[in-house]
Amino acid sequence: GQNIDQPTEMTATEGAIVQINCTYQTSGFNGLFWYQQHAGEAPTFLSYNVLDGLEEKGRFSSFLSRSKGYSYLLLKELQMKDSASYLCAVEDSNYQLIWGAGTKLIIKP
Amino acid sequence: ETGVTQTPRHLVMGMTNKKSLKCEQHLGHNAMYWYKQSAKKPLELMFVYNFKEQTENNSVPSRFSPECPNSSHLFLHLHTLQPEDSALYLCASSQVAGSGTDTQYFGPGTRLTVL
Repeated sequence: GQNIDQPTEMTATEGAIVQINCTYQTSGFNGLFWYQQHAGEAPTFLSYNVLDGLEEKGRFSSFLSRSKGYSYLLLKELQMKDSASYLCAVEDSNYQLIWGAGTKLIIKP
Repeated sequence: ETGVTQTPRHLVMGMTNKKSLKCEQHLGHNAMYWYKQSAKKPLELMFVYNFKEQTENNSVPSRFSPECPNSSHLFLHLHTLQPEDSALYLCASSQVAGSGTDTQYFGPGTRLTVL
């Protein structure tokens, strides 16, 4: 079966760095997405990786290793507004998104 | 109005009621999606419409009935729901479903409670 694993919850301190991991086993791979979802709001697109390596976008970076079925989202200089759930999703061979259950990130002052 | 909008934002209904959820996208996209989001569970894809044609129905019970009159509007008609159907229902749109590198944009969702 298809499976996306990510930690249920993480806690970090304002100003620090946090890495949220995502591992996947899917039938085929056509790319990996990260979304941010604040409580009661829509998931919003953060990043897309289809080739191995690191993609940087301001304070957020996303890394992919296709051979290991592994990705991480790196958040630097954490701010209180980064408290949210972070969803990992893989596009399988049918171009359908397979979603993880999300990682709830709690930022403490 | 920009992005993807959904109404109502909150809905409480009894098991014998009939109600409809509405989604509208203002992004010029051709694909629209319904997802179910339950606490601590992955997003569950329910239906996909591409150019107004339904291309995906992920074994969704018939008490959920989608309707896509045009590429900008999507409805989810609900009838005789069960308490376990209580969840956040998210609508999303994208340029073209199944095209690869196709980012989905989400609405804020309808929080549904079935009593």
